Amino acid sequence: AQSVSQHNHHVILSEAASLELGCNYSYGGTVNLFWYVQYPGQHLQLLLKYFSGDPLVKGIKGFEAEFIKSKFSFNLRKPSVQWSDTAEYFCAVKNSGGYQKVTFGIGTKLQVIP
Amino acid sequence: GAVVSQHPSWVICKSGTSVKIECRSLDFQATTMFWYRQFPKQSLMLMATSNEGSKATYEQGVEKDKFLINHASLTLSTLTVTSAHPEDSSFYICSAYSNSRKDGGTDTQYFGPGTRLTVL
Repeated sequence: AQSVSQHNHHVILSEAASLELGCNYSYGGTVNLFWYVQYPGQHLQLLLKYFSGDPLVKGIKGFEAEFIKSKFSFNLRKPSVQWSDTAEYFCAVKNSGGYQKVTFGIGTKLQVIP
Repeated sequence: GAVVSQHPSWVICKSGTSVKIECRSLDFQATTMFWYRQFPKQSLMLMATSNEGSKATYEQGVEKDKFLINHASLTLSTLTVTSAHPEDSSFYICSAYSNSRKDGGTDTQYFGPGTRLTVL
């Protein structure tokens, strides 16, 4: 069975600070990887996804994530956070191909202080 | 982009009553929809996978007789919480699977805004 672990449950940063949220997964096969964001009072939105190709994936709002297969990691990064990035971030993984179920991490709550 | 709606957004009901939650894909057809439950300060827990025209596949530990899922069309799936009890109070989220090639030929899930259920 696949699992996802997010190391930081609550992160507090000042505006303009750099962000890196850790995500590790466990699964021996080929995977698809996702980062979702949930802003306060809003529903989950896809931030970025990796299926194949360039392991450095660029998403919306200046976010990017790097897939490192040898480390089973898919860390999320942003060079300079803004107050509007305050949200909860979920890493997710599914077996590649078809309608395989997605397994979510526990989420990381990011609070950006103006 | 792909939009998924849920109705109602919140509901309060008495213990013992049944509640139906609708999940609709507004601008795409979804052969597969997923139902999740989210507890406070916890991740999303997949309850079941709903395929249009067939029986839902429930995750281990989820009571299929309590959480009835119907996926009658390519744009609508419903979750009915039967004989609800206070412990069923939670945030229920659906997602719809799209294999549209509009976003570069890759498949992904699009999430609804969720339904807050409170059982008194």
